[in-house]
Amino acid sequence: DGGITQSPKYLFRKEGQNVTLSCEQNLNHDAMYWYRQDPGQGLRLIYYSQIVNDFQKGDIAEGYSVSREKKESFPLTVTSAQKNPTAFYLCASSIGTGTSTDTQYFGPGTRLTVL
Amino acid sequence: AQTVTQSQPEMSVQEAETVTLSCTYDTSESDYYLFWYKQPPSRQMILVIRQEAYKQQNATENRFSVNFQKAAKSFSLKISDSQLGDAAMYFCAYEEYGNKLVFGAGTILRVKS
Repeated sequence: DGGITQSPKYLFRKEGQNVTLSCEQNLNHDAMYWYRQDPGQGLRLIYYSQIVNDFQKGDIAEGYSVSREKKESFPLTVTSAQKNPTAFYLCASSIGTGTSTDTQYFGPGTRLTVL
Repeated sequence: AQTVTQSQPEMSVQEAETVTLSCTYDTSESDYYLFWYKQPPSRQMILVIRQEAYKQQNATENRFSVNFQKAAKSFSLKISDSQLGDAAMYFCAYEEYGNKLVFGAGTILRVKS
């Protein structure tokens, strides 16, 4: 089965704790992305990576960190510095060529709740 | 910065009827891509349709088609023969260089039987 997996599906965190959200893809895609979705809003880009060992900040990177040590994995850490981390987090990947065939495909998401 | 506006927070359609969802965007670029994504209650984002800005022909995928007006920066989605499974949140998205997507706030589509 080819696709994007995210784990866990639901995650609860106490204030002051760091948590890491997993995103794995077996589509052989070069580019990977993390988005945040708040109720009634569209998706906002947190971080993206177009190649292994390289990543760039998106529009709302403060309080988040990422790594890209392997092509198939792009974990997102929500740090204690993130003021309002409760949200739905979506990971996506794409071939990364920037051509007309390049489309982002999404994982099923992780719902993070801060207690 | 590019922005995407979906002016209809919620729309309703009768089963088997046609509905059009609106989207406008702001950009100074001439070459870009536009997308419609569907997010059902499962919250999985599903690609509905894609349009390349340099193509004048409107994209079509089965019951889904777009009306792309480049000069007006308008990109509406038409759903024909609406089905109960079409009920979802629909997002319009603009892709700028570097494959970064900018999303609108979404339109909730309700389908009545």
